[in-house]
Amino acid sequence: AQSVTQLGSHVSVSEGALVLLRCNYSSSVPPYLFWYVQYPNQGLQLLLKYTSAATLVKGINGFEAEFKKSETSFHLTKPSAHMSDAAEYFCAVRVDTGRRALTFGSGTRLQVQP
Amino acid sequence: ETGVTQTPRHLVMGMTNKKSLKCEQHLGHNAMYWYKQSAKKPLELMFVYNFKEQTENNSVPSRFSPECPNSSHLFLHLHTLQPEDSALYLCASSQDPGGGTDTQYFGPGTRLTVL
Repeated sequence: AQSVTQLGSHVSVSEGALVLLRCNYSSSVPPYLFWYVQYPNQGLQLLLKYTSAATLVKGINGFEAEFKKSETSFHLTKPSAHMSDAAEYFCAVRVDTGRRALTFGSGTRLQVQP
Repeated sequence: ETGVTQTPRHLVMGMTNKKSLKCEQHLGHNAMYWYKQSAKKPLELMFVYNFKEQTENNSVPSRFSPECPNSSHLFLHLHTLQPEDSALYLCASSQDPGGGTDTQYFGPGTRLTVL
């Protein structure tokens, strides 16, 4: 069965600083990986997804993530944080065999300090 | 309306009440989902419907009863809930739940409080 671990339930950065949110996955077959963002009182919005076409994936709002098979990681980064990036971020995994539903991590809340 | 809409946005109910949550998707998708989001717990998939047929029930208690009359509408009927059922209930839709790259689009959720 596949699983996702997000290291750090809370991350705080200064405005303009690098954002790094960590996600490690566990899967016995090649995974599809997703990052979603949830703003307060809203549903989840897709930021980006890895579909094996390219290991570096660019998403919306300046975010990107790199798939590293050797490290079983799919960390989310943004070069310069903006106040509007404050939200909760979820990593999710799906595989093509067995249970095909998304499996979500527990989420990381990003705070951006002025 | 665009995307995925959910009503009501907030609901307070007693343990003996019966209420329903409604979800509607305007994306032409074939699959719809119910998720439960509790504080300090990962999103929990509850039900999956594909072309109106239930394809997954993730061991959800029978006090939650889903209904999918067509590919655009999904309901969650609630009865005799417990306080621990208080959570944000999210609806999502997607084009092809069997496809690995299939993307789920989420509604804003219904914040449920059970007294």
